[in-house]
Amino acid sequence: EAQVTQNPRYLITVTGKKLTVTCSQNMNHEYMSWYRQDPGLGLRQIYYSMNVEVTDKGDVPEGYKVSRKEKRNFPLILESPSPNQTSLYFCASSLGGSQPQHFGDGTRLSIL
Amino acid sequence: GENVEQHPSTLSVQEGDSAVIKCTYSDSASNYFPWYKQELGKRPQLIIDIRSNVGEKKDQRIAVTLNKTAKHFSLHITETQPEDSAVYFCAATPLYNNNDMRFGAGTRLTVKP
Repeated sequence: EAQVTQNPRYLITVTGKKLTVTCSQNMNHEYMSWYRQDPGLGLRQIYYSMNVEVTDKGDVPEGYKVSRKEKRNFPLILESPSPNQTSLYFCASSLGGSQPQHFGDGTRLSIL
Repeated sequence: GENVEQHPSTLSVQEGDSAVIKCTYSDSASNYFPWYKQELGKRPQLIIDIRSNVGEKKDQRIAVTLNKTAKHFSLHITETQPEDSAVYFCAATPLYNNNDMRFGAGTRLTVKP
């Protein structure tokens, strides 16, 4: 089954404690991206990757890092999380930027 | 960069009525306009998309229209059903940077039985 898998689905943590949200897709898609979803703001792009070792900033990259060492994986790293990063996060993959995106089930992060 | 505005933020209709959600975009170079449906607690899923070389596209009860001159596009849902209740997001991607997909803030549609 074609899917995008994110882990964890839920996480409550404290300010400053490094965390990683993993994302994996099994569709051999070149393009992957991370979004955060906040009430009234829709989906805002954090980072995207057009292929292995090719990443670029989206609309709201501050406080986040990503890596793309393998085509199927695109982890999101919060080196020093802060409460304003409390949000619902979605990973997505597609054949390209202007193609239908397949979203994961989301990760709800709470930073205390 | 691209800026997408979506209206209304909430919409309530009676079952069987039509629903229309409108989005405007700022960048005339945008060429790809998808619509996503997000049910409560679930991930966004593509329901229909349109490219700038097409003015209208239909898929059963849903349709999207694009007015490039006015830089707006709309989602039309006919014969609404309770299962159409969800949050709908529009998005736009500019031709010169097709990795820069910008989403509208979303419309919460409620279909009353």
